[in-house]
Amino acid sequence: EPEVTQTPSHQVTQMGQEVILRCVPISNHLYFYWYRQILGQKVEFLVSFYNNEISEKSEIFDDQFSVERPDGSNFTLKIRSTKLEDSAMYFCASSLQTGANYGYTFGSGTRLTVV
Amino acid sequence: AQTVTQSQPEMSVQEAETVTLSCTYDTSENNYYLFWYKQPPSRQMILVIRQEAYKQQNATENRFSVNFQKAAKSFSLKISDSQLGDTAMYFCAFRQGAQKLVFGQGTRLTINP
Repeated sequence: EPEVTQTPSHQVTQMGQEVILRCVPISNHLYFYWYRQILGQKVEFLVSFYNNEISEKSEIFDDQFSVERPDGSNFTLKIRSTKLEDSAMYFCASSLQTGANYGYTFGSGTRLTVV
Repeated sequence: AQTVTQSQPEMSVQEAETVTLSCTYDTSENNYYLFWYKQPPSRQMILVIRQEAYKQQNATENRFSVNFQKAAKSFSLKISDSQLGDTAMYFCAFRQGAQKLVFGQGTRLTINP
């Protein structure tokens, strides 16, 4: 079964450093998403991306965050200057369409630890 | 704004028992989708079951079924013949059309041998 692949599985970074989280969505999917889950809390939406532009973003997704689909296969989330509170599990997801018949497929997540 | 509430932070049952996880949501829309996701200790998000709001028939996937009460805005998950591998966090989620998934706070389910 096709998978969404996320790398790395765990990243430790120093506060103030830039970090890039990488995702390879399912190849024929058109819609891409990033979610995050702070330890012990619920999963929160960050951003959705379609047709090479952001289609929706949450208030969490401030100027420190950016997304990019640089080469038609990868989908990246960049955090420019990490804060301690950015420590979380980050999930990438993709879908072919946006109806329920085309549900999301989530990746396994990247655990980001900011020290 | 849509909200999703899971009122049971933790539940625990014996293997082979049936367990029901509760979920309520709030929306003014008529067409939307509801999901249950499982998050095992590996923390991957796995889709368990989904329900389209326009369908009256409750969705079923093997041992997993839902009780969808649209008027009451309730969407509970029933796990029959529970297995040790069902131990996980379970998240209820709401989606309307192209919009984002909105998750509940989760219920930590433990299946005891």
